[in-house]
Order: sequence, then C-alpha cells, then structure tokens
Amino acid sequence: EPEVTQTPSHQVTQMGQEVILRCVPISNHLYFYWYRQILGQKVEFLVSFYNNEISEKSEIFDDQFSVERPDGSNFTLKIRSTKLEDSAMYFCASSDLDLTAYEQYFGPGTRLTVT
Amino acid sequence: DAKTTQPPSMDCAEGRAANLPCNHSTISGNEYVYWYRQIHSQGPQYIIHGLKNNETNEMASLIITEDRKSSTLILPHATLRDTAVYYCIVRVALGAGNMLTFGGGTRLMVKP
Repeated sequence: EPEVTQTPSHQVTQMGQEVILRCVPISNHLYFYWYRQILGQKVEFLVSFYNNEISEKSEIFDDQFSVERPDGSNFTLKIRSTKLEDSAMYFCASSDLDLTAYEQYFGPGTRLTVT
Repeated sequence: DAKTTQPPSMDCAEGRAANLPCNHSTISGNEYVYWYRQIHSQGPQYIIHGLKNNETNEMASLIITEDRKSSTLILPHATLRDTAVYYCIVRVALGAGNMLTFGGGTRLMVKP
C-alpha cells in the first residue's frame, strides 16, 4: 500500500540553525500538508500546499517557516532559525483530488530536537 | 468547523467491541464527520468518515444519529493494537487548504 515517507526520523540541531525536513507524499496525491505535535500536546496544522503554492497556513507558520516542492516527488519544510520551542514531531500528510472523501495520509513523522 | 466533544479516556477488553462517542451538536448540513487515530506518537491514521448515513469499512463502523448531533465509532473486535488516541473531527469537505483540526481525542486503552 502506498505510504508517505519522511526523513530523517530524528533531527537534532542547535538553536539558530536551519533545518530542512523532507517528505515524499503518495505519488498521485496533489495536496500536501505539514502538521506538528509538541510532546504531550495536540496535533497542530501548519500549512497546506497545492499547485505549487500555499493554500492555507496557521499562525504558527510564520516567516521562519517555508515549504517547497523542489521536484516531482519531494515536499520540504524549512525552518530558517530554529528556536527551542520548535522541538516537536513534524508530520507530513498528503491527499488526492477526491473532494468528497478528504482523507489525509500521514507520514511517520520527524522528531526535531532543538538544543 | 463545528466543535466536537469526546471523553478523554476509555477502556475496552480485548476482543470486545469498543464504542467511542462524539458529540457535535453544532454540526452544519455540509459538514462531514471524520475519525482518525494516533498510535503512540505515530502519524495520525484515517479510519472512516460519513455525512449522515452509517458507514462501515474494514477497520470500523460509524453510526451517526438521525439529527447528526452525535456519532459513535465502533471497533467491533478490539485488539491490543487498537490502543490509541481517537479523534473525531467535523469539517466541510472542500478543496485544497482544508486543514484538520485535532482536539484532545479519546485515549482508548485495550486491555487483555
């Protein structure tokens, strides 16, 4: 069964450094998302992406964050200057074009630890 | 999107049916009920969704009351691997940009 993959599984970085989290969505999907989950808290929406542009973003997704689909398979989340509070699990998700069955398929996540 | 209310936790014996309730009294006519689950820090997993009819798939059944103000997710024969946090989400099924808003969910513990 097709699945969303994410790399790395765990990323440790120092405060102020840039990180890029990578995702390979399901191949025929057209909508892509990033969510995050701080330890012990709810899953929070960050951004959605369609047709090579951001469709929607939350208040969390400020100027420090950016997303890109650099080629036909990868979808990336960049954090320019990481803060301690960016430590969280980051989940990528994708969904297809069926507008009445809006299922999002999530990857296993990348655990980001900012020290 | 309409707000949902779920009990914070439930227990279920292995092999028995797990019935997880969700209240969504402010649901609108064009809003669907979605259920996702999250097994121990893994990515959330889609389970099932419905508009007004009851639905069944290989994972679960979804029972929606006639007034659509509440629903129940049924796992017919719960296993230990069904231990997870279950999220009931109500939202309009539109096009791109529709985020999922996760609440606290119900932590289901399946016990031997």
